[in-house]
Amino acid sequence: DAGITQSPRHKVTETGTPVTLRCHQTENHRYMYWYRQDPGHGLRLIHYSYGVKDTDKGEVSDGYSVSRSKTEDFLLTLESATSSQTSVYFCAIRTSGRATNTGELFFGEGSRLTVL
Amino acid sequence: AQKITQTQPGMFVQEKEAVTLDCTYDTSDPSYGLFWYKQPSSGEMIFLIYQGSYDQQNATEGRYSLNFQKARKSANLVISASQLGDSAMYFCAMREVPSGGYQKVTFGTGTKLQVIP
Repeated sequence: DAGITQSPRHKVTETGTPVTLRCHQTENHRYMYWYRQDPGHGLRLIHYSYGVKDTDKGEVSDGYSVSRSKTEDFLLTLESATSSQTSVYFCAIRTSGRATNTGELFFGEGSRLTVL
Repeated sequence: AQKITQTQPGMFVQEKEAVTLDCTYDTSDPSYGLFWYKQPSSGEMIFLIYQGSYDQQNATEGRYSLNFQKARKSANLVISASQLGDSAMYFCAMREVPSGGYQKVTFGTGTKLQVIP
């Protein structure tokens, strides 16, 4: 299994405060992704990275920024949190897949963020 | 436009029966991949099955099979002999490479499956 950890796992914050979520992997996978999960919306891609300092926007990137200064860490920052950003955030890495190299995503356990 | 569409928000199936979860997709990338994931109530995302756009045969993994109809752009998940432990949220996802970009994976809104004893 790919080693992937998210921190913090739970956070409650107030509107207007900055928040950073961290995703850490132990296996040097190139691709990393941040999603948010909300009822009725499934998982929506926020940002993704294809290498150190190489990132791109997903479908719901407004209000979020990311950084990847090291292969193993992918940080998601909410510069000024809003109540609409209350969600469960998942980080994922693209593995090399099984024998057929399917390259499926392997997910972290999620970070539950509540913005009051 | 939605890249991945799952039109069934919720479904019920009798234990031991088969069930089909629908997924349609939209992409202009000729080399794409399709995935199904399961999310039980505990919240973890579990990879189930993969289908590549060039794969000639439908993918199968144990009780899971993927009914891939390329011309219709559909990739339905079939679960045979449903078990109570199959009760979960199921997500269809697609990996593609946008023009000038890098591999991107987008998900549908999910289908909540409940297996009835």
